[in-house]
Amino acid sequence: NAGVTQTPKFRILKIGQSMTLQCTQDMNHNYMYWYRQDPGMGLKLIYYSVGAGITDKGEVPNGYNVSRSTTEDFPLRLELAAPSQTSVYFCASSSPPHKTGGTEQFFGPGTRLTVL
Amino acid sequence: RKEVEQDPGPFNVPEGATVAFNCTYSNSASQSFFWYRQDCRKEPKLLMSVYSSGNEDGRFTAQLNRASQYISLLIRDSKLSDSATYLCVVSRDSGGGADGLTFGKGTHLIIQP
Repeated sequence: NAGVTQTPKFRILKIGQSMTLQCTQDMNHNYMYWYRQDPGMGLKLIYYSVGAGITDKGEVPNGYNVSRSTTEDFPLRLELAAPSQTSVYFCASSSPPHKTGGTEQFFGPGTRLTVL
Repeated sequence: RKEVEQDPGPFNVPEGATVAFNCTYSNSASQSFFWYRQDCRKEPKLLMSVYSSGNEDGRFTAQLNRASQYISLLIRDSKLSDSATYLCVVSRDSGGGADGLTFGKGTHLIIQP
């Protein structure tokens, strides 16, 4: 199993450009997440999905959009890139959480985005 | 008060030593607790979950104090390969939460030969 894969690994955008960050998982996980990590900061949740066709906002959704047409794929769209979106973006997936305990989230290798 | 607070370090520790660091969380309704490890420029990976009774995994011991709202991680007989950033992670939901996890900024650990 490849686990969670993300493309591209690196990208430089100009202000106002658009792009889609791709995320695919082969573990048949229903739950998928997008986080961003700024230097020296914790991960912040952008959007999440509990299954195909269902998405919801996280803590920092402004400037982003997502879709979930299949279980495997969860792309993140930036419509008008801004310097504040310079960050490392991580996609993650998991099984549904247990009632009595946590569940592990599996992360992709990340996409390093710079907006100039 | 920040949701999850950690001392950023760095903790510089000689190989073979024991090191411990704590994390505090602000939401008393938090249910699930984890330590993740993140190597430089890599993705986070689960190190261990933290249970109310405390739990151990080899050289690693995690403790939870709900009354004081803090979580600890103890590493015994530290190895060079333990050098990494350790992220304290908390979820509001009992099962890890469909809306994701709250991450601390991490504690940077450097094991020196």
